[in-house]
Amino acid sequence: NAGVTQTPKFRILKIGQSMTLQCTQDMNHNYMYWYRQDPGMGLKLIYYSVGAGITDKGEVPNGYNVSRSTTEDFPLRLELAAPSQTSVYFCASSYGTGVHEQYFGPGTRLTVT
Amino acid sequence: AQSVAQPEDQVNVAEGNPLTVKCTYSVSGNPYLFWYVQYPNRGLQFLLKYITGDNLVKGSYGFEAEFNKSQTSFHLKKPSALVSDSALYFCAVRDRRYGGATNKLIFGTGTLLAVQP
Repeated sequence: NAGVTQTPKFRILKIGQSMTLQCTQDMNHNYMYWYRQDPGMGLKLIYYSVGAGITDKGEVPNGYNVSRSTTEDFPLRLELAAPSQTSVYFCASSYGTGVHEQYFGPGTRLTVT
Repeated sequence: AQSVAQPEDQVNVAEGNPLTVKCTYSVSGNPYLFWYVQYPNRGLQFLLKYITGDNLVKGSYGFEAEFNKSQTSFHLKKPSALVSDSALYFCAVRDRRYGGATNKLIFGTGTLLAVQP
């Protein structure tokens, strides 16, 4: 049981480039989330999904897009990367209805220069 | 507005001493509260949660947390700190606007715990 996996671990992008951060979970969780973590700012929710085919914006969605074609995968797309998107990105998942904790992946450290 | 506050950016404690990491919340109704730990260059790991019932919640690695409704607090505690407990700790509350329909969490800004040998 691998839990939540993310690739890549590190990436450097030039301004204006695009990339996709991959996230996969093998726990059959319905809910999935993308966060960014900036120093001293805690975690901010970018997008979330409550099931395949259903996604919604979180607190800071601008500059990002997501899709959820399967229960397992929840990729995050960055279009036209900007320095403000330099951050550490975490994917998480949880069971559905009820009070459930979220399980986090190891993160992707992204630098945009 | 719902929020979580962790008033201390850093807590320093000597190994073997008790530790407390503070958390206060602001949410209408009954809160669902969580503590997570983040070791360097790792994702967040779940420690414990409060749903209802006993105000003292026991979790992983010997940690516990005390829910206090009148003070709107959910402080994390451990009777005897270890150097290996040094990490970043996050308190979170479930967003009541959506409840179990999304299980969205609102996180505090984190407290760095440093345990000295």
